[in-house]
Amino acid sequence: NAGVTQTPKFRILKIGQSMTLQCTQDMNHNYMYWYRQDPGMGLKLIYYSVGAGITDKGEVPNGYNVSRSTTEDFPLRLELAAPSQTSVYFCASRPAGSTNEKLFFGSGTQLSVL
Amino acid sequence: QQQVKQSPQSLIVQKGGISIINCAYENTAFDYFPWYQQFPGKGPALLIAIRPDVSEKKEGRFTISFNKSAKQFSLHIMDSQPGDSATYFCAASEGSRDDKIIFGKGTRLHILP
Repeated sequence: NAGVTQTPKFRILKIGQSMTLQCTQDMNHNYMYWYRQDPGMGLKLIYYSVGAGITDKGEVPNGYNVSRSTTEDFPLRLELAAPSQTSVYFCASRPAGSTNEKLFFGSGTQLSVL
Repeated sequence: QQQVKQSPQSLIVQKGGISIINCAYENTAFDYFPWYQQFPGKGPALLIAIRPDVSEKKEGRFTISFNKSAKQFSLHIMDSQPGDSATYFCAASEGSRDDKIIFGKGTRLHILP
């Protein structure tokens, strides 16, 4: 019963490097989300997707890109890493429909940009 | 613009006491109000949720009180235990029209043994 799996768990990047944070879920959920968590700032929505081939911007999308080619996978891409992107990143998913709004979160990726 | 305002930022409660965390929102289209609990090093997990057609929902020691006219909702933890020490997030969404779930800034709760 894997749920939402995020890799890697930790990563250190140099300024200007790029990387992809991986997220996969095995619950056949249509909706997937990427949040970043900064101390005292709560969870900020970066991007979300309501199904394969469909993505939309959240509150803080600048500096990030996403794709959703399959129901299971929702990778987050950082093209030119900046120190402001140092954060803990959480991927989440939920079933479609307004009666199933419980989010299932992964265990997070801690990213440092130096 | 902060759509969901949460207070306090941190809270210390004696064991057996009542912990109260408050949230306020502006968007009257929000129709789903969950609370999430997060332990260090873990992702948040749904604790309890309410819809605006009821004023209160109780699950064990956890109760949500909802005031639609004031656009406020709160989490009450009765008989608080050291194991309740965690960060709590309120959130809101308008599930019938939008799929974004917006979170408050969180409250770090510490229960003294």
